[in-house]
Amino acid sequence: AQSVTQLGSHVSVSEGALVLLRCNYSSSVPPYLFWYVQYPNQGLQLLLKYTTGATLVKGINGFEAEFKKSETSFHLTKPSAHMSDAAEYFCAVSVGPGGGADGLTFGKGTHLIIQP
Amino acid sequence: NAGVMQNPRHLVRRRGQEARLRCSPMKGHSHVYWYRQLPEEGLKFMVYLQKENIIDESGMPKERFSAEFPKEGPSILRIQQVVRGDSAAYFCASSPLTASSNTEAFFGQGTRLTVV
Repeated sequence: AQSVTQLGSHVSVSEGALVLLRCNYSSSVPPYLFWYVQYPNQGLQLLLKYTTGATLVKGINGFEAEFKKSETSFHLTKPSAHMSDAAEYFCAVSVGPGGGADGLTFGKGTHLIIQP
Repeated sequence: NAGVMQNPRHLVRRRGQEARLRCSPMKGHSHVYWYRQLPEEGLKFMVYLQKENIIDESGMPKERFSAEFPKEGPSILRIQQVVRGDSAAYFCASSPLTASSNTEAFFGQGTRLTVV
């Protein structure tokens, strides 16, 4: 069984500042890890994913995440926040790269607020 | 290639009525997943279907909820005798037949069910 913990239900940063959204996971098998973004009243959009290979993963909109097996973490970062980054961010884990037999297990989400 | 299509986008039902939520996967995708998002919560896996088969329904409530993915037509999530606690956003995702490291689950925009 897998689980995901996102530290901080709300994170507020100033425009231009570093964005850091934390995600820790537990999994009984090597995990596939995902970050999704959800804009108000929209579906989820994949930001990036880790399956195998390089542990630093680059995604869309300037986001990246690093898989650290020793820390069971997959934190999401962006060097410089933009107002358009304000949204809900979900970390997820799966046993399969496309979702697996039991789909994705999501964290509760982190609401990113960008201060002007 | 159209994305995952869900309809209706918004659905209002009175307590005791039935709710039917439809999901058309992306073209070429034969795996469908349903998730529920309660207010202030992350997405919770409900059910995983392939054409004419339920693969994993471990996340489905035991009563009143059912899902199908017929040979022809969209996947349907049916909630009978709805109660106020069923009010949530219901998301559908689809992925291709072949699971590989390059596949991912694509999400629809969701159906927001309100039970009054």
